[in-house]
Amino acid sequence: GENVEQHPSTLSVQEGDSAVIKCTYSDSASNYFPWYKQELGKRPQLIIDIRSNVGEKKDQRIAVTLNKTAKHFSLHITETQPEDSAVYFCAAPSFPSGNTPLVFGKGTRLSVIA
Amino acid sequence: DVKVTQSSRYLVKRTGEKVFLECVQDMDHENMFWYRQDPGLGLRLIYFSYDVKMKEKGDIPEGYSVSREKKERFSLILESASTNQTSMYLCASSLVGTTEAFFGQGTRLTVV
Repeated sequence: GENVEQHPSTLSVQEGDSAVIKCTYSDSASNYFPWYKQELGKRPQLIIDIRSNVGEKKDQRIAVTLNKTAKHFSLHITETQPEDSAVYFCAAPSFPSGNTPLVFGKGTRLSVIA
Repeated sequence: DVKVTQSSRYLVKRTGEKVFLECVQDMDHENMFWYRQDPGLGLRLIYFSYDVKMKEKGDIPEGYSVSREKKERFSLILESASTNQTSMYLCASSLVGTTEAFFGQGTRLTVV
């Protein structure tokens, strides 16, 4: 099955700066890479995802990039705001095909300092 | 909007008790999952189910069992609660053939 590593475990940035969180995965056949955001006391929610047939996807201030050769994908948040403070999880399917649960990274706690 | 509801937000149980955590989803999803969340360890899969009366072990099934008698309900059972099962438990569901998981609000279980 898949193994996902996530770095850093904590990240502090000044409001307005950019934040980058990186994940690596082990199975070169993996084809779907979501990012979840969990605010304090709330449930994880999907914020953006990318499939293996594209290299980058953007949604306003957030973007995800995928490097299939190196087997890593990254979350980029620009112009950070205090409401971006949360724990972020990357994930990949346990197996590349079929009905399969997600394997999650260990999470990154992002703090945006006003 | 998909709704995944867990029966309790907070639960305190004694060592050795049998504990039931309930999860209900209202979007007719075939897939349901139980994860455990601990600081520094992320979300770890305990059990999952793709259909009624069907279950599969995840990465950390020891000390747990599950029940899925109805499509919308997936129960996690701690046969004999121990202090190392103190944790946040998250239920999730997804549509068959898709991977996006929708999470419940979580149950913070404390075993004393």
